[in-house]
Amino acid sequence: EGQLVQSGAEVKKPGESLKISCKGSGDTFSSSSIAWVRQMPGKGLESMGVIYPDDSDTTYSPSFRGQITISVDNSITTAYLHWSSLKASDTAMYYCARRGVDRADPFDFWGKGTMVTVS
Amino acid sequence: SYVLTQAPSVSVPPGKTATFTCGGNNIGSKSVHWYQQKPGQAPALVISFDGDRPSGIPERFSGSNSGNTATLTISGVEAGDEADYYCQVWDSGDEHVVFGGGTKLTVL
Repeated sequence: EGQLVQSGAEVKKPGESLKISCKGSGDTFSSSSIAWVRQMPGKGLESMGVIYPDDSDTTYSPSFRGQITISVDNSITTAYLHWSSLKASDTAMYYCARRGVDRADPFDFWGKGTMVTVS
Repeated sequence: SYVLTQAPSVSVPPGKTATFTCGGNNIGSKSVHWYQQKPGQAPALVISFDGDRPSGIPERFSGSNSGNTATLTISGVEAGDEADYYCQVWDSGDEHVVFGGGTKLTVL
């Protein structure tokens, strides 16, 4: 079974930029898609967007379109989540999760999360 | 956009059955997945495609989906099952992933 290893916790100021990462092991990225999921403190899960590493095709959930950028570097099997200008409301835990290529597939394994604090 | 509705909380004594519902318009036509999230941990898949159990998930966990309601059932609830449970579908209309609001299971 593959693994997703996420980058460490971040503390940033409003207006700063940030890129967090999610590195897949083995053939995690092969024939799969990688999603980023936000969980604000004490709240539920929200899908932010999904990228298909095979062709870098990316879809964003309506609430996050224009607010974030998701990218991938297949040479190091790493997906990224990028903000150009953080807001205090971006304070949350961010998870990456792997899904099969079919959009109706489940997220079969998850990274441990990256806590982002904007203050 | 597509909305999934879950009850905020469920409380069950040990050994009894916990039932979680996930309501959505004609959800029976979609594939529903369920995730368990224990405090301080990442979510983990417990039921896929309405009722399939991933490897390592006990038979106590089962799921069904019909009409406007999908259901996750945990029989013989144990203290270790205390967690938040989320349902999830793919919304083909808006082309994005949708999660329910989650249900917190308390084992009395």
